Amino acid sequence: AQSVTQLGSHVSVSEGALVLLRCNYSSSVPPYLFWYVQYPNQGLQLLLKYTSAATLVKGINGFEAEFKKSETSFHLTKPSAHMSDAAEYFCAVSEATSGTYKYIFGTGTRLKVLA
Amino acid sequence: EAGVTQFPSHSVIEKGQTVTLRCDPISGHDNLYWYRRVMGKEIKFLLHFVKESKQDESGMPNNRFLAERTGGTYSTLKVQPAELEDSGVYFCASSQSRNTEAFFGQGTRLTVV
Repeated sequence: AQSVTQLGSHVSVSEGALVLLRCNYSSSVPPYLFWYVQYPNQGLQLLLKYTSAATLVKGINGFEAEFKKSETSFHLTKPSAHMSDAAEYFCAVSEATSGTYKYIFGTGTRLKVLA
Repeated sequence: EAGVTQFPSHSVIEKGQTVTLRCDPISGHDNLYWYRRVMGKEIKFLLHFVKESKQDESGMPNNRFLAERTGGTYSTLKVQPAELEDSGVYFCASSQSRNTEAFFGQGTRLTVV
């Protein structure tokens, strides 16, 4: 079975500082990995995805993530935080069972950006 | 193009009542998923439709939950009777094919009091 662990339910960074949100996964098959973001009062929006192509994946709003098989990690980074990045971030792995590609989500990390 | 839309955005009901949530997927998306997030916990899979057929309903909590997708367009999720532990945010998502990313709606926040 697949699983996702997000370290840190709350992360605070100063505006302009590096953003690092951690995600580790467990999967017995090559995974598809995703980062979604939820801004206040909005739905989940796809930030980026890894589907077995390049291990460094670039997403929207300056975010990127690197797939590291040896560490079973898919950490999300952004070089310089902006106030508008304050949101909740979810890492997910897709599990294909019997034709269903359902997502297994982590518990989420709420990012706070300090002025 | 319209995204995934969910109705209502919020619902507050009393224990024992019935509530029906609706999801309109992106046009042309055969795959429709329901997920739920209970307060502070992870978002959990409930079920998956391919067109009007239930492909996987392994995540449905119990028989108080009934999902339908008549005609393969919009879907409804009915909770009858609602219990306190059913409170949470219910997300709907759709995808064009099984192995492409899913697009999520804004969710329905259900509060059972």
